[in-house]
Amino acid sequence: DGGITQSPKYLFRKEGQNVTLSCEQNLNHDAMYWYRQDPGQGLRLIYYSQIVNDFQKGDIAEGYSVSREKKESFPLTVTSAQKNPTAFYLCASSIGLGVSGNTEAFFGQGTRLTVV
Amino acid sequence: KQEVTQIPAALSVPEGENLVLNCSFTDSAIYNLQWFRQDPGKGLTSLLLIQSSQREQTSGRLNASLDKSSGRSTLYIAASQPGDSATYLCAVLTYGNNRLAFGKGNQVVVIP
Repeated sequence: DGGITQSPKYLFRKEGQNVTLSCEQNLNHDAMYWYRQDPGQGLRLIYYSQIVNDFQKGDIAEGYSVSREKKESFPLTVTSAQKNPTAFYLCASSIGLGVSGNTEAFFGQGTRLTVV
Repeated sequence: KQEVTQIPAALSVPEGENLVLNCSFTDSAIYNLQWFRQDPGKGLTSLLLIQSSQREQTSGRLNASLDKSSGRSTLYIAASQPGDSATYLCAVLTYGNNRLAFGKGNQVVVIP
């Protein structure tokens, strides 16, 4: 099946730890995105990548890092510098803006991160 | 900066009624607008994508319209069913901004 796979579904982090959330897609999409979802706040963009080996900060990048070494993979690391990491994290992908207008975004099933 | 608003935040309708969900946005220079569905604790499922040159899109019981000049989109769900209970989000992709801007969603409950 084609789609976006996020793992793990649930993740627990101790204070001061770095954790990495996995996102893999087999849709052959160029663009990939990471969002954070908090109750009452909607989705906020953390990082995005339009092409392999390139990525840009979104609106709330502080305390997070990403890499894009392969087209199909876009892992997100939540570092100890992120003061309030408990949230639901969503990964998405799309063809990218090279095809004008036809940039339907598809999402994974999310990872719920909890600080313990 | 593109601002997307969805009102009301929550609504309940009896089964069989038509659902009408509204989305407004402040910058009309958009590539497209997309409607999503989200079930509790799950990811987003794409429902409909309307490109800026289109006025509406239809899929089964779902119909979405787009009035770009007035910055509005409406999602119609005909003959609602309890399985339509979910949160519906709209998002726009704006020229010069390589990211989707999301509304906070309409939480819908269809009462059997």
